[in-house]
Amino acid sequence: AQSVSQHNHHVILSEAASLELGCNYSYGGTVNLFWYVQYPGQHLQLLLKYFSGDPLVKGIKGFEAEFIKSKFSFNLRKPSVQWSDTAEYFCAVNAYLEAGANNLFFGTGTRLTVIP
Amino acid sequence: DVKVTQSSRYLVKRTGEKVFLECVQDMDHENMFWYRQDPGLGLRLIYFSYDVKMKEKGDIPEGYSVSREKKERFSLILESASTNQTSMYLCASIEERESRYEQYFGPGTRLTVT
Repeated sequence: AQSVSQHNHHVILSEAASLELGCNYSYGGTVNLFWYVQYPGQHLQLLLKYFSGDPLVKGIKGFEAEFIKSKFSFNLRKPSVQWSDTAEYFCAVNAYLEAGANNLFFGTGTRLTVIP
Repeated sequence: DVKVTQSSRYLVKRTGEKVFLECVQDMDHENMFWYRQDPGLGLRLIYFSYDVKMKEKGDIPEGYSVSREKKERFSLILESASTNQTSMYLCASIEERESRYEQYFGPGTRLTVT
């Protein structure tokens, strides 16, 4: 079965530290890849997405992610985090299902706490 | 802008009640989804629909049913609510263009079953 793994459940960083959140998926076909962010009390927002082309994708708020096909990975990075980046981050992979519909498979999320 | 709306932001129901969660999208998307979000478990797919009157079970369909009578509306039904169905429920629809897909989420309904 398809799966998306986020190995870090809770990450705590000081402001200005660099961030890397891991995401691995198991689907072998063509995939679209996403990172979503959910700030406390708010709904999911799209941070960035990869469909094709340059494997290094830049998103909003200084985030970027790199798609490494050979490693089935799509890690999220930010060179210098801010207190306002405190949120939960979800990796997601879009893949076709046998029934003909598309679905988005989510990781379990990584909670990021940034200490001022 | 694509809009996915959900009928309620917060809902409190008693055990055994029948609960309807409504979701409407205004972009003529064919595929719609219902997820629940729980701490430490991420988003889990309950049901999805890829056309009017079509539905497929997701990962955790037990205790739920769905209805898709019109393309823009996808309803999630809890036939007899239980306390373990207390959760945040998210509706989404997918836009498909030339093998590119983007999923749009509603704001969520936080359901508490007492």
